[in-house]
Amino acid sequence: DAKTTQPPSMDCAEGRAANLPCNHSTISGNEYVYWYRQIHSQGPQYIIHGLKNNETNEMASLIITEDRKSSTLILPHATLRDTAVYYCIVRGLIPTNFGNEKLTFGTGTRLTIIP
Amino acid sequence: KAGVTQTPRYLIKTRGQQVTLSCSPISGHRSVSWYQQTPGQGLQFLFEYFSETQRNKGNFPGRFSGRQFSNSRSEMNVSTLELGDSALYLCASSLMTDGNTIYFGEGSWLTVV
Repeated sequence: DAKTTQPPSMDCAEGRAANLPCNHSTISGNEYVYWYRQIHSQGPQYIIHGLKNNETNEMASLIITEDRKSSTLILPHATLRDTAVYYCIVRGLIPTNFGNEKLTFGTGTRLTIIP
Repeated sequence: KAGVTQTPRYLIKTRGQQVTLSCSPISGHRSVSWYQQTPGQGLQFLFEYFSETQRNKGNFPGRFSGRQFSNSRSEMNVSTLELGDSALYLCASSLMTDGNTIYFGEGSWLTVV
């Protein structure tokens, strides 16, 4: 079963902020929200992750709602190189004795940056 | 620091042949996972190795196998190739400790003809 719901596609003008939403209404208390992106023909690239506080790194910002049922990935100044499929994933951070929880990728959001 | 390295990047095989793909994880990472990505099925988990032991396995036939070496490098093998095995095969590694982010390699594109 999919743990996250994302819009299938979005467009954003170059230079503007791209805001990608994700719904994860069944997230449990020990699960983190992870974002990856995949540019055509390449492996998924890690972007950012968070538990309940907003997070920012050199690539993006992650805003998680107080009830943790949804989040938004923000690319502050989108460039053409940000055109990719963006995946929102929820997973436990701490590995179990059975190893890493396998990542379950949904269909993601295909973000197109418009020149 | 070098990322996850996969070889070969592209390869073409004939039905019935077998193939071995190689993965070198990020230095210090001890967990290695393999995924298959196809347009129709998306990203699907194959298996995960930690300390040379398979810890987790996805729902793939026995033709798909893997192993991990003492230096954490991993290989996966697909025997008796079928046309449907054409896919991007991705390797990922993580520390298996706090900060357990999983990082992916660029993948190996396998075409079966």
